[in-house]
Amino acid sequence: KQEVTQIPAALSVPEGENLVLNCSFTDSAIYNLQWFRQDPGKGLTSLLLIQSSQREQTSGRLNASLDKSSGRSTLYIAASQPGDSATYLCAVRNTDKLIFGTGTRLQVFP
Amino acid sequence: GAGVSQTPSNKVTEKGKYVELRCDPISGHTALYWYRQSLGQGPEFLIYFQGTGAADDSGLPNDRFFAVRPEGSVSTLKIQRTERGDSAVYLCASSSSGGVDTQYFGPGTRLTVL
Repeated sequence: KQEVTQIPAALSVPEGENLVLNCSFTDSAIYNLQWFRQDPGKGLTSLLLIQSSQREQTSGRLNASLDKSSGRSTLYIAASQPGDSATYLCAVRNTDKLIFGTGTRLQVFP
Repeated sequence: GAGVSQTPSNKVTEKGKYVELRCDPISGHTALYWYRQSLGQGPEFLIYFQGTGAADDSGLPNDRFFAVRPEGSVSTLKIQRTERGDSAVYLCASSSSGGVDTQYFGPGTRLTVL
């Protein structure tokens, strides 16, 4: 059974720092991996999707990498801003369903 | 519509009551998914529709939960004899044709069972 773990559970950093969020999964037979952002009381916003054949994806200040063989992905956020404060979820695609981690709650303070 | 919409945004009910949660997917999307997110947890898969039929309902926790999508568009998640443990945010997502297509999520319905 696929299990997804995210570390750390919470993170508080000053504005401007570069930071790394970690995601690990137990079954490397995935179609893709996706990083989402969730603001309090809101739905999920897709940030980056990495296909199983890819190693990384970039969008603006965000870079996500995937090492399928070791079951790991990282989300790198450059020059963090207070507006980045949210919960970040990773999810792996296992057939038609997404299997989510428990998220990293990020707070960026001015 | 422009995105996935869900109604109501909040629902408070008493233990033992019946509730219905509605999802309007992105127009033209044939695949629709329901997930449940408990406090402090990631979303957990409940059911997946391809068109009008449930292609995978392996995530439904028990027979009190049922979902329909009669015309292949709007879906309703139905919960009978609600229990306090059913309190969660219920998220709906749609994708253009299922498979590995990107899933787009709605804002969710927060269900509170007193």
